[in-house]
Formats: sequence, structure tokens, C-alpha cells
Amino acid sequence: DAGVIQSPRHEVTEMGQEVTLRCKPISGHDYLFWYRQTMMRGLELLIYFNNNVPIDDSGMPEDRFSAKMPNASFSTLKIQPSEPRDSAVYFCASSRDTTGELFFGEGSRLTVL
Amino acid sequence: SQQGEEDPQALSIQEGENATMNCSYKTSINNLQWYRQNSGRGLVHLILIRSNEREKHSGRLRVTLDTSKKSSSLLITASRAADTASYFCATDAETGGATNKLIFGTGTLLAVQP
Repeated sequence: DAGVIQSPRHEVTEMGQEVTLRCKPISGHDYLFWYRQTMMRGLELLIYFNNNVPIDDSGMPEDRFSAKMPNASFSTLKIQPSEPRDSAVYFCASSRDTTGELFFGEGSRLTVL
Repeated sequence: SQQGEEDPQALSIQEGENATMNCSYKTSINNLQWYRQNSGRGLVHLILIRSNEREKHSGRLRVTLDTSKKSSSLLITASRAADTASYFCATDAETGGATNKLIFGTGTLLAVQP
């Protein structure tokens, strides 16, 4: 198995632009998580899905952030419009359950100028 | 909000020495996990210990859990330069809903000098 695949690995954009991050979870994993990592706030859980349905989005910072999972093999995290404070590494992870082992992707490093 | 706090924030040791990292958490848990993150990479799962377990081993790793003190420790024995990484504990935080979710601590940056 190729593991969790994220794209792009690096994204540099200007304030106000739309950013879309993509994730392909491990086949057979029913749970998908989006985390954000910054030096100041560490790893924050933004949202997670179970069987493609959003279960808890309480970590999504504001309405500028949205996440979708149209099918079991694909998820997106969108920021519109982006702001410099959104600069961070965004990780996608998948698992067979909510509190078992998480398998992380390599992350998408976002820089908003 | 972060459930776990690791201590120390940074640790520098010589190759061959043991490294001990601690994690404290706030609420009741079902299990606690430790993850490793190499610079610029994703997190990798190391070990999971359940709330009814007190100690667990995996190769050079030894994890202890004290639920009365709400704390855990990760011991890496006979460290190697390749062990240089950040180490995070993660706990399943009760959300009041049907399922829990994993919340990560602040991490310990371990540097092993060759």
C-alpha cells in the first residue's frame, strides 16, 4: 500500500487566493482526519470524517475553511480566501477507527504571502 | 486545545545513552499513543498503551502509563543518531459525542549526537 498521499507537498500563494489541499487515504480505512501543525499551536485537529461523512468539524478555524470527502478515496481541504496566518503544514491521516493508530501523509506545507 | 504536554521540550543526548520523555494529560483516556516525526515528514505511530496497561515494550522502546497521575513516559534505550526526531504523545479525548478523537501533545525534540 502506498500510504496516505497528499498533494501538493508545497504551496506558496498570495493572500486572498483560494487554496485546495488534497488527500488520498489508505484503502479500507473508514476514518480520515485533517490536522494543522504550526510552531505556535502544535498539532490541531481540524475535522474528521467517518465513511465520508463529517463527524466533528469543531476544530475548523472559521468559515474560510471547508472540507469535503466525496468518496472513500479522496478528500479536500479548501481555504478561501487564504490569509498569512493560515501558513502551516496541513496533514491528512487515516485509520480504521477514531482512537487507534493513525497513518499520516507527508503533509502539505502552505505559505500565504 | 491540547490534551497532552510533553516534558522536556527539547533533549540532547549522546549516542548510546537512554532518552526519557514524559507526557501529562488532563482527562480520562482509553488509550495513549506515542508518535515520532522526523524533520519535514509526517508522524509515524510507535506504540499504543491502553488505560488498563501499566507498561509496554517494543524493541528499544518502553512506555509506561500511570492513570492516577495522568502521565506517561517513553524510554528509548541505547539511542542512535537516527532516533533524532520529535516525539509526540496522543490521547483519545472524550468529546461527549459518540466517538472520541486523538489529541496530540506539544512534543519533545530529541537530538542524539553521534
